[in-house]
Amino acid sequence: DAKTTQPTSMDCAEGRAANLPCNHSTISGNEYVYWYRQIHSQGPQYIIHGLKNNETNEMASLIITEDRKSSTLILPHATLRDTAVYYCIVSPLLGGTSYGKLTFGQGTILTVHP
Amino acid sequence: GAVVSQHPSWVICKSGTSVKIECRSLDFQATTMFWYRQFPKQSLMLMATSNEGSKATYEQGVEKDKFLINHASLTLSTLTVTSAHPEDSSFYICSARDRGTRRQETQYFGPGTRLLVL
Repeated sequence: DAKTTQPTSMDCAEGRAANLPCNHSTISGNEYVYWYRQIHSQGPQYIIHGLKNNETNEMASLIITEDRKSSTLILPHATLRDTAVYYCIVSPLLGGTSYGKLTFGQGTILTVHP
Repeated sequence: GAVVSQHPSWVICKSGTSVKIECRSLDFQATTMFWYRQFPKQSLMLMATSNEGSKATYEQGVEKDKFLINHASLTLSTLTVTSAHPEDSSFYICSARDRGTRRQETQYFGPGTRLLVL
């Protein structure tokens, strides 16, 4: 599976947009980009995922570069409750023994402050 | 939608006893469930992949005789930690993949079970 690189930590002011980058330069054509977050002592929460096109849902937007080697998760109006560890993961779409496996790295600790 | 529950949420047991953790998908059917373990200040580590009606596939280094997984139905998978020891103390988290269409591409996680072995 392709590996990802994320900054160790980021800060964001409440009410501002939080832009979390992720590098996945070795991503394969059949791999999705997934974003999850984990609030302290809870299970990870699914945020969004995409293959090629940019995606938006009620939680966030995902911007994937044209060459798919990097992406950015955007929380448009960060709140204190968005403080969490954010994981960017690439995972194969179909086929093979790696189908569906999510390999978690260290993620980015996002701290939203007042 | 896409809710996954775990029971119990926390458990304390004596060394040498066995502990069973349940993972249920509440509003969808999951052909595949995954079990993860997370030690303090570390990331999640995949332990095994559980497919309904078949044997689980364990990751390298995970003892299948110690961590027994049963996936008897499309909504329930169980993890039994046999003869637990203090080093098995950890946060155990399951996830389930919806067999439906687009949601099939996504894993949904349970709230986790914190195990403390004395």
